[in-house]
Amino acid sequence: GENVEQHPSTLSVQEGDSAVIKCTYSDSASNYFPWYKQELGKGPQLIIDIRSNVGEKKDQRIAVTLNKTAKHFSLHITETQPEDSAVYFCAARNSGGGADGLTFGKGTHLIIQP
Amino acid sequence: DSGVTQTPKHLITATGQRVTLRCSPRSGDLSVYWYQQSLDQGLQFLIHYYNGEERAKGNILERFSAQQFPDLHSELNLSSLELGDSALYFCASSVGRTWGTEAFFGQGTRLTVV
Repeated sequence: GENVEQHPSTLSVQEGDSAVIKCTYSDSASNYFPWYKQELGKGPQLIIDIRSNVGEKKDQRIAVTLNKTAKHFSLHITETQPEDSAVYFCAARNSGGGADGLTFGKGTHLIIQP
Repeated sequence: DSGVTQTPKHLITATGQRVTLRCSPRSGDLSVYWYQQSLDQGLQFLIHYYNGEERAKGNILERFSAQQFPDLHSELNLSSLELGDSALYFCASSVGRTWGTEAFFGQGTRLTVV
């Protein structure tokens, strides 16, 4: 089955700086890679996603890049703000068509220092 | 608010007991996915139902079972509970048979086994 590795487990950045979180996946047939943000006491919320036929996608301060050859994808947050503090999860949709949902990385706790 | 409703929000029970967690999907969504979130294992896929039928099973223990009813709500039954079953249990719903951008998580049920 799919295996998703996520790094770092904790990331502390100064407000206004950029943050980068990286993930690798094992199944070359995986074709959908979402990123979720989880705030304390809440369920994970989709913030951006990318499909395997696209190399990069941006949405305001958030961007995701995908390198299919290397099987890795990254989340980039620019001009970080205090409300960006949360746990971020990367995920990959399994090649079995997604019936078994997503395989998640173990999360990155992003801390924005004022 | 994602539109996915999970009850109860918190549950404390003793080892050996049985509990039922409930998930009401967003209106119109036919798929329900269950996930377990623990500190050491992250988000683990348990089971997926689509329109009343089981579609896929993940790392679900034999002591756990689930079903989706004709009104599309789903229940996750956990029996012979052990201390290690303490975790957050999330459900997510989506319209189609596979996980996509429109999938949303509920706020979770925090289960504590004492």
